[in-house]
Amino acid sequence: QKEVEQNSGPLSVPEGAIASLNCTYSDRGSQSFFWYRQYSGKSPELIMFIYSNGDKEDGRFTAQLNKASQYVSLLIRDSQPSDSATYLCAVNLRASGYSTLTFGKGTMLLVSP
Amino acid sequence: GAVVSQHPSRVICKSGTSVKIECRSLDFQATTMFWYRQFPKKSLMLMATSNEGSKATYEQGVEKDKFLINHASLTLSTLTVTSAHPEDSSFYICSARDWTGTDTQYFGPGTRLTVL
Repeated sequence: QKEVEQNSGPLSVPEGAIASLNCTYSDRGSQSFFWYRQYSGKSPELIMFIYSNGDKEDGRFTAQLNKASQYVSLLIRDSQPSDSATYLCAVNLRASGYSTLTFGKGTMLLVSP
Repeated sequence: GAVVSQHPSRVICKSGTSVKIECRSLDFQATTMFWYRQFPKKSLMLMATSNEGSKATYEQGVEKDKFLINHASLTLSTLTVTSAHPEDSSFYICSARDWTGTDTQYFGPGTRLTVL
């Protein structure tokens, strides 16, 4: 079974700290990895995607991918209370000639002022 | 970035009625759109994959006769909840896949359905 695993949290960090969100996946054939942020009562919004091993930075966000360990993470530097949300890891699987996103259950992040 | 709209954002209906939800990609063409459902404090659940010009592919356990999907153009997919019942009350979210090489899915703002 294809799975994407995340700790449900909540992960609590103080304002200004680095928040580290982790995700593991079971399908070694996975090629694309996405991080979405979902505020309560809202739909997910894309933060960033990563395809290659290593780090990818975008502003305060850094995605890290290690395909050998089947591990992807999201670092949020200088965390702000507005970053408090549920962060969804999604992995793009190839099946039947088209791609679907398999989502983790999400990690709730709480940033305290 | 790519923009996906959904309409309506909120709907309240009586049990037994049908509700149509529209999903549009505003600034890109989407050959594939996805429909998700999310119950309060639960994970996103993929209901079906909608391909332009062909029949939708439904996930296991999703009734295709109850959740009718039409993807008639490269920018529009519709989900019709037929004969809605209170247990169908949920947050319905569509996404559209961008085929510019990244396979990224962009989500609409969602439709909150309440069936009385």
